[in-house]
Amino acid sequence: KAGVTQTPRYLIKTRGQQVTLSCSPISGHRSVSWYQQTPGQGLQFLFEYFSETQRNKGNFPGRFSGRQFSNSRSEMNVSTLELGDSALYLCASSSEVYEQFFGPGTRLTVL
Amino acid sequence: EDQVTQSPEALRLQEGESSSLNCSYTVSGLRGLFWYRQDPGKGPEFLFTLYSAGEEKEKERLKATLTKKESFLHITAPKPEDSATYLCAVQAGAGGTSYGKLTFGQGTILTVHP
Repeated sequence: KAGVTQTPRYLIKTRGQQVTLSCSPISGHRSVSWYQQTPGQGLQFLFEYFSETQRNKGNFPGRFSGRQFSNSRSEMNVSTLELGDSALYLCASSSEVYEQFFGPGTRLTVL
Repeated sequence: EDQVTQSPEALRLQEGESSSLNCSYTVSGLRGLFWYRQDPGKGPEFLFTLYSAGEEKEKERLKATLTKKESFLHITAPKPEDSATYLCAVQAGAGGTSYGKLTFGQGTILTVHP
């Protein structure tokens, strides 16, 4: 079974731009969660989608948004990028049980 | 608010020197406690899920245990390839605010020298 895939793997953007990251979950998994990982804050929960609906959201500003498509693929968008948004963005998929399986992440650098 | 604290922050071992990593947690109704391994530049790799106090899981040189307040990851006779950051996370069972949300500790960086 193929694992979670994320594209692109690396991105360099400048302040004020926006960015869209993509995540394809494991086949059959309907839940997709997104996390931000930084050296200072560690892994922090952004939001979770299930069957195209956002069910949960972490404490991030409205510049961070996401969506999920009918095939369970998910995208997250960050508008008006700030230097502090530089991080590894991870998505994880899960089925009806609780284990989350992570993708390789997208490394975003904001200059 | 759910909290996870891992100790030590870093651990250096000689090959074959067994040790344990600690994960202390406070959560409103534990749905599950998870251990992950993360190599530099990669996503976390799932290791174990523990659901209730007294539960134990084993995989090769790793054994995870759970009490009502903490979990331990025991590493027996480690090898250099066990070097990685080990992350502990909890999921609360308190309804909507817990959907898909794992709360992570800061991790323990394990280095095993040959």
